[in-house]
Amino acid sequence: DIQMTQSPSTLSASVGDRVTITCRASQSISNRLAWYQQKPGKAPNLLIYQASTLESGVPSRFTGTGSGTEFTLTISSLQPDDFATYHCQQYNSYSWTFGQGTKVEIK
Amino acid sequence: EVQLVESGGGLVQPGGSLRLSCGASGFTFGRYEMNWARQAPGKGLEWVSYISSSGTIIYYADSVRGRFTISRDNAKNSLYLQMNSLRAEDTAVYYCARDPGGNSGFADYWGQGTPVTVSS
Repeated sequence: DIQMTQSPSTLSASVGDRVTITCRASQSISNRLAWYQQKPGKAPNLLIYQASTLESGVPSRFTGTGSGTEFTLTISSLQPDDFATYHCQQYNSYSWTFGQGTKVEIK
Repeated sequence: EVQLVESGGGLVQPGGSLRLSCGASGFTFGRYEMNWARQAPGKGLEWVSYISSSGTIIYYADSVRGRFTISRDNAKNSLYLQMNSLRAEDTAVYYCARDPGGNSGFADYWGQGTPVTVSS
């Protein structure tokens, strides 16, 4: 199975900060990576798919880059609504695997 | 508006069974591939199972293969997960999730989840 390693596990930041989360795959997955945002007690919400394609309705401050084994999610200017947990997910093969999540908390 | 509503979760003893349901509305259910995923308390997400739009192609995570069965009834706009031989490590919130099409491999809509607790 493909393993996904996400870092950091927790990130403390302030409103307006630029934030970057990294996700590494144990083998190449081309661009078959998605990012989700999840708030406490809620379902995940799709942000980005195919590593860099923004889901409809998602603010443009969210950017996904990468291919192969290394991927990043960047929030250009952190907003109050962005404090949440972020998950990466590979779909190069059925089964999917997720990273362990990155919690973005208020500094 | 796309809606996915899970039901059927609850408290069950180790070795017991539960059947989860996911009702879909707001889209043509029979045209979409579907998945179950879960999240143990305080943990990350884990994919559980996939079913093609027609129900003819099915995949399972190693952790549930042989114990869980995914199925669907397109006439009833419903997805199911039959869970047998439940273990404590199956305790989680279970989500149904829609693949946007063409075996895209990710989920564009998720239900709100139904909690399953396996404990004596």
